[in-house]
Amino acid sequence: EAQVTQNPRYLITVTGKKLTVTCSQNMNHEYMSWYRQDPGLGLRQIYYSMNVEVTDKGDVPEGYKVSRKEKRNFPLILESPSPNQTSLYFCASSRWGLQGAAGNTIYFGEGSWLTVV
Amino acid sequence: AQSVTQPDIHITVSEGASLELRCNYSYGATPYLFWYVQSPGQGLQLLLKYFSGDTLVQGIKGFEAEFKRSQSSFNLRKPSVHWSDAAEYFCAVAAGDSGAGSYQLTFGKGTKLSVIP
Repeated sequence: EAQVTQNPRYLITVTGKKLTVTCSQNMNHEYMSWYRQDPGLGLRQIYYSMNVEVTDKGDVPEGYKVSRKEKRNFPLILESPSPNQTSLYFCASSRWGLQGAAGNTIYFGEGSWLTVV
Repeated sequence: AQSVTQPDIHITVSEGASLELRCNYSYGATPYLFWYVQSPGQGLQLLLKYFSGDTLVQGIKGFEAEFKRSQSSFNLRKPSVHWSDAAEYFCAVAAGDSGAGSYQLTFGKGTKLSVIP
């Protein structure tokens, strides 16, 4: 079954304590990305990756890091979390980054609820 | 940069009534457009997408959307709403540099649909 798996699903942490949200896909997709969802703001892209070792900033990258050492994994790192990073985070993947490619459906994980106190 | 506007934050309809959710986009070239649905506490599910060809696109759960280039719109419709359609709906546009093979997916802020039994 095609899946994008995020962990943890729910997390409460304290300001400044480094944390990592993992994302793994089992579809051999090249393209992966992270979004955060906040009430009234929709989903905003944090970072995306076209392939292994290739990452780019999205619309709201400040305070986040990512890495893409393997094709299947795309962890999101918060080096020093702050309360304004309390949000719902989604990881997504698709076969390619090329728009318009037939069959290039984007798959989303179930989301990770992060609270920073 | 591309942008997506969903003018209606919240819409309430009676079960069995027709539905239209509005989406307007801003992008200089041919856009690739999507509608996603998110049920409370759940991730995003793709309803339909437009890449090219027929401007009337059929999706899952009885939804359809029509791409109108002249109006920069991609409105979502359903002839008869069911109580289970109550959710939040997001319109999105994928745009970027096809030559470089990179793109960003930009979401609207969402429209919350409530259904009166």
